[in-house]
Amino acid sequence: QKEVEQDPGPLSVPEGAIVSLNCTYSNSAFQYFMWYRQYSRKGPELLMYTYSSGNKEDGRFTAQVDKSSKYISLFIRDSQPSDSATYLCAMHQAGTALIFGKGTTLSVSS
Amino acid sequence: EPEVTQTPSHQVTQMGQEVILRCVPISNHLYFYWYRQILGQKVEFLVSFYNNEISEKSEIFDDQFSVERPDGSNFTLKIRSTKLEDSAMYFCASGMGGTGELFFGEGSRLTVL
Repeated sequence: QKEVEQDPGPLSVPEGAIVSLNCTYSNSAFQYFMWYRQYSRKGPELLMYTYSSGNKEDGRFTAQVDKSSKYISLFIRDSQPSDSATYLCAMHQAGTALIFGKGTTLSVSS
Repeated sequence: EPEVTQTPSHQVTQMGQEVILRCVPISNHLYFYWYRQILGQKVEFLVSFYNNEISEKSEIFDDQFSVERPDGSNFTLKIRSTKLEDSAMYFCASGMGGTGELFFGEGSRLTVL
């Protein structure tokens, strides 16, 4: 079983839709959970950072972590064409390297 | 806004040649990383560097690879005797603490012919 699983998509939605992106993981020791956004041929850019279980909101973005299910989610409200990118989940335990999912490619049409 | 800069943006090399990829991390960051992304695949961890030594490395980071921080600003990745399968985008990243809050550079695309 791969450490971090993420459906690569692609996912296409109309402008204004609510987007749900998800990852599952197998290592129960993971404590820190991130979402990065990557535009084509660019480096990943940190969007959201959550420690342990719970929710975190930042503008149109909400990150959720359910450690009991080993499942994390990123919700995007009122999606915009500028949100079109690849979204990477990533996670790690204290003192170890960040492990990425494969990324979900999102396209928001106007 | 401070950023991680990488050079070159694209390098083409012949199989068997040595390549050095350079990075200037954000100045007050203490942790430095190299990741790579083969086209269409996930971002993979190679190595982390803290306090002038390797703190963690992946199975990918074998004797073919080495890292160095030759002065107070640069962080380099050397790939010896390049192979076709080394063709990838190589990302440098830096962070303040040992958390996943990393700042990535734009990447160096390596093409091995």
